[in-house]
Amino acid sequence: GAVVSQHPSRVICKSGTSVKIECRSLDFQATTMFWYRQFPKQSLMLMATSNEGSKATYEQGVEKDKFLINHASLTLSTLTVTSAHPEDSSFYICSARDQARQSWEAFFGQGTRLTVV
Amino acid sequence: AQKITQTQPGMFVQEKEAVTLDCTYDTSDQSYGLFWYKQPSSGEMIFLIYQGSYDEQNATEGRYSLNFQKARKSANLVISASQLGDSAMYFCAMRENLQGAQKLVFGQGTRLTINP
Repeated sequence: GAVVSQHPSRVICKSGTSVKIECRSLDFQATTMFWYRQFPKQSLMLMATSNEGSKATYEQGVEKDKFLINHASLTLSTLTVTSAHPEDSSFYICSARDQARQSWEAFFGQGTRLTVV
Repeated sequence: AQKITQTQPGMFVQEKEAVTLDCTYDTSDQSYGLFWYKQPSSGEMIFLIYQGSYDEQNATEGRYSLNFQKARKSANLVISASQLGDSAMYFCAMRENLQGAQKLVFGQGTRLTINP
């Protein structure tokens, strides 16, 4: 099946620094990728839709200047958490759909557990 | 308004028994899709099963089946012959078309524990 690879799986950073998370589709091209955030014991909440070659679409309440998304190629989207604070500590996970398949299945990366200290 | 509702925060089931995880949804779209994902403690999201709104038959994938009742707007997941490895969080999700993009909206999840 299609594979989405997310890196890093875990990261600890100091408050005020920036962290970049990568999401790659390994065996298919993805014009659209999705970024989710999941707080402990909660559901996945969509943060933004990453569009290849154009600006990302952010969900209501998500700060676009804090969560920078770049989708420069058909296989790579990056999420940069800028000036991270402890309240940004969360599980971030990306997903993509192989639009060439006759399937609605969304494939997820392994997720990134971010801890801001 | 909540679009996907999972009313069971936790479920405890004996190994080898069948278990039904509830999911109701709300949409005014005619074309939509419903998913179930499993999330073990490692955090990865594992796709289990998909049901399209126009699919006439209930979806099945091995031990997983989806009890789709369109008029009642419910899409319950049935796991037959449960195994210890089935212990995990289970999320119901709906595909909706918003501004041309197909997005997934997730329910709150149900934590399933299989007892030996």
